[in-house]
Amino acid sequence: SQTIHQWPATLVQPVGSPLSLECTVEGTSNPNLYWYRQAAGRGLQLLFYSVGIGQISSEVPQNLSASRPQDRQFILSSKKLLLSDSGFYLCAWSGQARNTEAFFGQGTRLTVV
Amino acid sequence: GNSVTQMEGPVTLSEEAFLTINCTYTATGYPSLFWYVQYPGEGLQLLLKATKADDKGSNKGFEATYRKETTSFHLEKGSVQVSDSAVYFCALSRFGGSQGNLIFGKGTKLSVKP
Repeated sequence: SQTIHQWPATLVQPVGSPLSLECTVEGTSNPNLYWYRQAAGRGLQLLFYSVGIGQISSEVPQNLSASRPQDRQFILSSKKLLLSDSGFYLCAWSGQARNTEAFFGQGTRLTVV
Repeated sequence: GNSVTQMEGPVTLSEEAFLTINCTYTATGYPSLFWYVQYPGEGLQLLLKATKADDKGSNKGFEATYRKETTSFHLEKGSVQVSDSAVYFCALSRFGGSQGNLIFGKGTKLSVKP
């Protein structure tokens, strides 16, 4: 069966520090991968998605970047965190078929102080 | 463009009450529709889905019917429990291309009191 792992679960980082969140998927190949952010009391905002290794699409211009160095690995990064980067970050994967559902990791609670 | 609109929360109910959370969508073509649930501090879990008009998705006592004529996918449960307290998201798949992306509503927080 397929599983998705996301870490760390919680993170407290000072303003201006770098960020690296990692997500890996097991049990499937060539998945679509996504990073979402959920700010407190708000809905989900799609940040990045990837349909293959090295292929990254950005939905919202921001202080973050994403990379996909391997088929089932998706990394969210920042060189210098801002206070506004605080939130709950969710990684997800879906199959390549049309109209298919996505499966989510457990999320990372990031607090920038 | 594609979009999802769901009722604003929070929704507070007593245990065993009937639940309806409204969801309407705008989409080109024939998207699939989903309900996800998020328990506190956790990621999203797929609750149910429907892939074509008139399909009824169901799981854990929750139901939703894909209504193309009204572009709706309302979530219902006949008798809620305290353990159903969570945030519920309606979503549709982005039609076309290979992205397989989901478009989410803003979420509806449900609190069930004993």
